[in-house]
Amino acid sequence: SAVISQKPSRDICQRGTSLTIQCQVDSQVTMMFWYRQQPGQSLTLIATANQGSEATYESGFVIDKFPISRPNLTFSTLTVSNMSPEDSSIYLCSVEHGNYGYTFGSGTRLTVV
Amino acid sequence: AQSVTQLGSHVSVSEGALVLLRCNYSSSVPPYLFWYVQYPNQGLQLLLKYTTGATLVKGINGFEAEFKKSETSFHLTKPSAHMSDAAEYFCAVSDRNTDKLIFGTGTRLQVFP
Repeated sequence: SAVISQKPSRDICQRGTSLTIQCQVDSQVTMMFWYRQQPGQSLTLIATANQGSEATYESGFVIDKFPISRPNLTFSTLTVSNMSPEDSSIYLCSVEHGNYGYTFGSGTRLTVV
Repeated sequence: AQSVTQLGSHVSVSEGALVLLRCNYSSSVPPYLFWYVQYPNQGLQLLLKYTTGATLVKGINGFEAEFKKSETSFHLTKPSAHMSDAAEYFCAVSDRNTDKLIFGTGTRLQVFP
C-alpha cells in the first residue's frame, strides 16, 4: 500500500491568511483526493486532483477558496485561502492505489483564530 | 450517485458484548464498500472492504461485515467488544466511475467495563 506524508500536522492561523497543505506519496498514483473533517463530523470530499488537469471540485467547494496543485504523480497541495474560523477543521489527502485500496494522510489540524 | 447512511450516531456496549454498527448504501451500480476506524486524534485506518467475491468479509481486530444486496446493507459486527474498540467508525462507498470515496456520517462506539 502507499504511504503518504502530509504536512503540516497542525497549525494555528490568523483569519484572512492562507495555509498550504502538502501531501507526498511514496509511489505514483493517478488520483489524489482532498477531504475536510469538521469537528465531530464525518469526512467531506473537497476535490479530486489528477495530474496534468484541473482539479474537480465537489458541490459547495470552489477553486478560489481551495486551490489545488498536482504537479506530478506523487505530490499535491491544497491551499485554504482567506481563512475564517469556520475553516477550522482537519484536512486530509487520500490516494487510491489499485484494487480500491485507499490510503489517507495523517491529516492537518487547522485552527483559525 | 452513491451514498451511505449510518444508523445511530452513538452506540454503547459492554465489554464482551456483541458490536453491531449499521450501514446502508445507495448505488446505481454494484458498490465497493468499506469500513474505516478513527481513534481519538488519529488518522483513518481501514478495517475491511468488499469489492467482489465472498459477501462475508473479515477484517482486522476481529471485525467482519456482510454485504447484503437485497437489503442494501453492509453492517459491521464483532462478537465480543474490547475497551480498545472505542472509536469512531465510518462506512464508505466507492463510486466506480470516479473512484471517489463517499463517507457516512460516522458512528461513535463506546465500550463500558
